[in-house]
Amino acid sequence: NAGVMQNPRHLVRRRGQEARLRCSPMKGHSHVYWYRQLPEEGLKFMVYLQKENIIDESGMPKERFSAEFPKEGPSILRIQQVVRGDSAAYFCASSPAGGQGRGQPQHFGDGTRLSIL
Amino acid sequence: DQQVKQNSPSLSVQEGRISILNCDYTNSMFDYFLWYKKYPAEGPTFLISISSIKDKNEDGRFTVFLNKSAKHLSLHIVPSQPGDSAVYFCAASGGTSYGKLTFGQGTILTVHP
Repeated sequence: NAGVMQNPRHLVRRRGQEARLRCSPMKGHSHVYWYRQLPEEGLKFMVYLQKENIIDESGMPKERFSAEFPKEGPSILRIQQVVRGDSAAYFCASSPAGGQGRGQPQHFGDGTRLSIL
Repeated sequence: DQQVKQNSPSLSVQEGRISILNCDYTNSMFDYFLWYKKYPAEGPTFLISISSIKDKNEDGRFTVFLNKSAKHLSLHIVPSQPGDSAVYFCAASGGTSYGKLTFGQGTILTVHP
């Protein structure tokens, strides 16, 4: 009974490198969401995707960050030219078609801890 | 602009007693509210939710109350157990951004044996 799977669990990058975070939603879920948690803070929404579509990217930084959810394979959150301030826990969540509006909560993975040296 | 606020950073309760966690919101467009529990190094786990058409929802030891006029919700855990010790987040969604959850800062609950 696989839940939301994220990998890697921990990722270390040097400043200027690229970070790729992967998320496989729960079986039967077609909506994916990415959140970021900085130390001592709550989770902040980044982006909401359906297969091959970005539905809401209002929380994404304007530069260096991108996300996709292709027809086949996991959702990818990509951070180019990472900086120290990108160090955080990145969580992915998924929900069935219909999502919040039909009383379906989002279910979260265990996150990727990104550390920038 | 903190649209969802949990004003108590921490709460300590004796085992068997009631735990009450509070949450306030400012955005009147929010119409769906959720509570999540989070352990260190794990993702948030969904606990219970409530739609704005209700004022109470109950699931086992967990009850969520919604006061729309006060823009306030609370989570009651009865009876509290040591395994309930975790960080609790309230979250809200609604309006045109129905897929976006807005989270509070979290409350650390400690249940003492």
